[in-house]
Amino acid sequence: QITLKESGPTLVKPTQTLTLTCTFSGFSLSTGGVGVAWIRQPPGKALEWLALVLGNDAKRYSPSLDSRLTITKDTSKNQVVLTMTNVDPVDTATYYCARVFGIVGISFWFDPWGQGTLVTVSA
Amino acid sequence: SHELTQPPAVSVSPGQTARITCSGNELSKQHGYWYQQKSGQAPVLVIYKDNERPSGIPERFSGSSSGTTVTLTISGVQAEDEADYYCQSGDSSVTYWVFGGGTKLTVL
Repeated sequence: QITLKESGPTLVKPTQTLTLTCTFSGFSLSTGGVGVAWIRQPPGKALEWLALVLGNDAKRYSPSLDSRLTITKDTSKNQVVLTMTNVDPVDTATYYCARVFGIVGISFWFDPWGQGTLVTVSA
Repeated sequence: SHELTQPPAVSVSPGQTARITCSGNELSKQHGYWYQQKSGQAPVLVIYKDNERPSGIPERFSGSSSGTTVTLTISGVQAEDEADYYCQSGDSSVTYWVFGGGTKLTVL
C-alpha cells in the first residue's frame, strides 16, 4: 500500500521561508519513472502544480515560482522536502504531495496523493 | 504557456451521462489525466493516459481524446459522483505540468 503524508507549520509569517516534508511508504525513489510532486490548492480555488523530483534526482519547478522553490529528496528516509522562500498571504493553501508515476521524457501523472496540510500565511 | 480550460460547472440527473471537457493546445501532443476531488478530500486519479482507468475506479468512468480536447465521461451518474473534477497535462517538453480550473459536477 502506498501512502504519503505532508508535515510542516500551519502558520507562517510573510517574508519567511516555508519548509514542508512529505514522508512516504510503499515505493522507492530510486528509479527515474517514479518521483514525488508538490501541488497546492488555495481555499476554494483550483489545483496548482509546484515542483517534482524523480528517482534519478531530476527536478522540475513551476515556471511562475521557480525562483522561490527548492525540492530535495532523502531516499534513505523516504522523504521529500519542499522549501518556499519569501512567502506571502497569497501562498495560503492546502499543500499536497503525491507520487509521480510515468514514462521519463513522455508523460507523468500523480497517484496517489497525501491528505494535504493547510498552511496559512499571516502576520 | 500551457493552459487547460474546463467548464466551471456541469449538472446532470442521476442515471444520465455527464461529459466534462478539457481543452489545451498541448493536448494534441501530451496525454490528459483526470482527478476527482470530493469536498474536503484529496484528489483521486480516475483516468490516466487519456482513457485508461486505474484499478478500483468504476467502469462508468471513461476518457477520450480528440485533437486538443480530452473528455471525461461518467455514464449512469450516481449521487456519489458529485465532486470537482480536474484535468491535468504536461507541456510538450515534459518540463512542467498544469491543471485545468476544475469543473463542479452537480447531481440533481
